[in-house]
Amino acid sequence: EVQLVESGGGLVQPGGSLRLSCAASGFSFRSYWMSWVRQAPGKGLEWVANIKLDGSEKYSVDSVKGRFTVSRDNAKNSLYLQMNSLRAEDTAVYYCARISWTQGEAHFDYWGQGTLVTVSS
Amino acid sequence: QSVLTQPPSVSGAPGQRVTISCTGSSSNIGAGFDVHWYQQLPGTAPKLLIYANANRPSGVPDRFSGSKSGTSASLAITGLQAEDEADYYCQSYDSSLSAWVFGGGTKLTVL
Repeated sequence: EVQLVESGGGLVQPGGSLRLSCAASGFSFRSYWMSWVRQAPGKGLEWVANIKLDGSEKYSVDSVKGRFTVSRDNAKNSLYLQMNSLRAEDTAVYYCARISWTQGEAHFDYWGQGTLVTVSS
Repeated sequence: QSVLTQPPSVSGAPGQRVTISCTGSSSNIGAGFDVHWYQQLPGTAPKLLIYANANRPSGVPDRFSGSKSGTSASLAITGLQAEDEADYYCQSYDSSLSAWVFGGGTKLTVL
């Protein structure tokens, strides 16, 4: 059974940093691209970042470029999101999601339960 | 303002059929990029419902179906059940933004 378990969320002051983790199990982690998707309270879903199998390619939404860094450790079956210079508008539940490809296009086929990040003074 | 436009809400009685639209543009759906659909039950994580426009993952009932035409896509739900009450999101890729994008979400109410 595919399982994705996020951790590391919490309350942080504006300008602060936080590192999210996602522990994966039930599949060959090194064989899948992975992603972070967030959802602000009462709002819709927003893609944040993707990372390739070996970490050699990374993509992120413009609003987090230069502040957030996605990484992975295939030996530990883990995905990470380092978040710096946090802003109030980064407040959201952050989901870890597995990416599957169909004819060259990506979709998110499994999701974790999410971890809440609150940016407030 | 989401790149993909969905109606904020739809509703239907048990047993009825409802559709949820997802309207994009020439840089996403109209460019030929696939549309995927997710269901988010209250208080839970999203779940993949339809991928690559019209394909159902294992375990998703055939009451759910997807289609795509031009710059739009649709999710149809037949034989509505109370357990279908949820938020539904469409997703695609936008070449102008170089980003994976979601619709704003549609809340389905089963009357």
